Amino acid sequence: QVQLVQSGAEVKKPGASVKVSCKVSGYILTELSMHWVRQAPGKGLEWMGGFDPEDGETIYAQKFQGRLTMTEDTSTDTAYMELSSLRSEDTAVYYCATPRGGSGYLAPFDYWGQGTLVTVSS
Amino acid sequence: SYVLTQPPSVSVAPGKTARIACGGDNIGRKSLHWYQQKAGQAPVLVIYFDNDRPSGIPERFSGSNSGNTATLTISRVEAGDEADYYCQVWDNNSDHVFGGGTKLTVL
Repeated sequence: QVQLVQSGAEVKKPGASVKVSCKVSGYILTELSMHWVRQAPGKGLEWMGGFDPEDGETIYAQKFQGRLTMTEDTSTDTAYMELSSLRSEDTAVYYCATPRGGSGYLAPFDYWGQGTLVTVSS
Repeated sequence: SYVLTQPPSVSVAPGKTARIACGGDNIGRKSLHWYQQKAGQAPVLVIYFDNDRPSGIPERFSGSNSGNTATLTISRVEAGDEADYYCQVWDNNSDHVFGGGTKLTVL
């Protein structure tokens, strides 16, 4: 059973960057396709980006291109999401999520982290 | 970009059947998934590939997908089913897309 455990809440000032981690247990990170989804207060789910197993590349939603970087540390089975040039509209809960290992790009997000609240405020 | 449209809210009495719609252009040609999100919790997959249930999800949950509308059906609704429900697809141009979510209220 895959478990995703995320880092704790963050408070950042506008213009700063935030880096959220997602530790994988019960599976090997390289056999998963990690994605990041965010949810602003009282709003719906928004896909930010993730690993495309068909192309072997990380794909970012157009909205976040240039500000979003997803990386992985395979030695610790930890995925990271870094968002830069933060603004108040980036205040949200950020989730890591992944399909089951070996699934293609059509697969659902079977496993989710518990979420990390990022607050952007001056 | 591809858009999924859901009603903001659906209300149903306990023991009755709830139906939550998800509309999109030719959505019936796409693989559609449904998630349940209870207050303060992470989403949970309840239906995948239109009408498959993950282990642990009650048989009361079912799905259909045809034409321009997909539907999540919850039979014999219980108080514990009260949550927000989101549909999701992968689109060639938009990548992963979520619907706006539907709040299910059990009266």
